[in-house]
Amino acid sequence: NAGVTQTPKFRVLKTGQSMTLLCAQDMNHEYMYWYRQDPGMGLRLIHYSVGEGTTAKGEVPDGYNVSRLKKQNFLLGLESAAPSQTSVYFCASTPWGTSSYNEQFFGPGTRLTVL
Amino acid sequence: GQNIDQPTEMTATEGAIVQINCTYQTSGFNGLFWYQQHAGEAPTFLSYNVLDGLEEKGRFSSFLSRSKGYSYLLLKELQMKDSASYLCAVRNFNSGNTPLVFGKGTRLSVIA
Repeated sequence: NAGVTQTPKFRVLKTGQSMTLLCAQDMNHEYMYWYRQDPGMGLRLIHYSVGEGTTAKGEVPDGYNVSRLKKQNFLLGLESAAPSQTSVYFCASTPWGTSSYNEQFFGPGTRLTVL
Repeated sequence: GQNIDQPTEMTATEGAIVQINCTYQTSGFNGLFWYQQHAGEAPTFLSYNVLDGLEEKGRFSSFLSRSKGYSYLLLKELQMKDSASYLCAVRNFNSGNTPLVFGKGTRLSVIA
């Protein structure tokens, strides 16, 4: 099993450009998440999905869109990148269930710089 | 809303014991997690507490007091490789699903 993978690992964008970050997991997990991590701010939830075809907003959703067309993939889109979106982006997944112990498995991260 | 507090930085000596504290306020509670994150890498799971008490796993232990909104991570026999950030995270039962809310992390430096 590859676990959670993210594409690309690094990217530099100019202000106003668009891009899509891809997250894929091969563990058949129901739940998937996108976080951003900035110095001194910890991990902040952008959007998440509780199953194929469903998405929901997290703590910092503005400027981002997501799609979960297939259970194994969770895409994060930036329609018009801004320097404030320079960050490290982590994808994570968990199996189904809210009442039992379920750790989150994280991908390796995507380091994005917006000039 | 939720608020999670942990110290920003700590320094400890190789071979010693260090305790990293985490306090939280949340409208609902369904578990507290500790993650380790080395610089430039993804967080990895360390421990989970949902009931009061101590959970021990090798050199690492985690304690929870739900009435006090308090947890700590205890690292024994510190090694240089333990230098990392340690993230406290809480799951809110009332959310209906499993997004975690993370603290800002504690950067631990282990010195010789």
